[in-house]
Amino acid sequence: QKEVEQNSGPLSVPEGAIASLNCTYSDRVSQSFFWYRQYSGKSPELIMSIYSNGDKEDGRFTAQLNKASQYVSLLIRDSQPSDSATYLCAVNENNAGNMLTFGGGTRLMVKP
Amino acid sequence: SAVISQKPSRDICQRGTSLTIQCQVDSQVTMMFWYRQQPGQSLTLIATANQGSEATYESGFVIDKFPISRPNLTFSTLTVSNMSPEDSSIYLCSVGQPNTGELFFGEGSRLTVL
Repeated sequence: QKEVEQNSGPLSVPEGAIASLNCTYSDRVSQSFFWYRQYSGKSPELIMSIYSNGDKEDGRFTAQLNKASQYVSLLIRDSQPSDSATYLCAVNENNAGNMLTFGGGTRLMVKP
Repeated sequence: SAVISQKPSRDICQRGTSLTIQCQVDSQVTMMFWYRQQPGQSLTLIATANQGSEATYESGFVIDKFPISRPNLTFSTLTVSNMSPEDSSIYLCSVGQPNTGELFFGEGSRLTVL
């Protein structure tokens, strides 16, 4: 049974701070990793994809992957109140097509 | 990414009835997926909708309860049959980008069963 674990939060950070969201996964053969943002009442929106060890930066977002430790994280720099949402980590294996296993999500609250 | 339209966006249903959710994509896609998100929970894959063959269901989901149609490469339906309050959830249609493994979601259909 593949598992993806996240702290449910809420994670509360002040505006302008760095928010750090963490995710661990159980399946060592997982190859692709994704972060989704979900606002209340909305569907998940893909914000980052990462496939190899190290960091990947896109604007204020940085995804970090460590396959040896089975750990993936998302950093949000200069956090804004509009970043307040639930962040879902998802993983899949290369041979699983687009079938993703999702973590439970971390609720982020950015306070003005 | 593809534009994915679902309807209804929300509905309130009576126990014992069935409801069919439609998913339309603006481009041809090989695989479409149906997910469920129960209140306060994460996403759980119900089934993969394959064009030209029967859907592939995940553990805990059966065709009699969640029949799926996939008549062509741009359209799929999910029916929630004989509904009970436990079926109150958001049902999400999704399509994948084969080269990247990325998955994109429709707006979701929020069902409340009384």
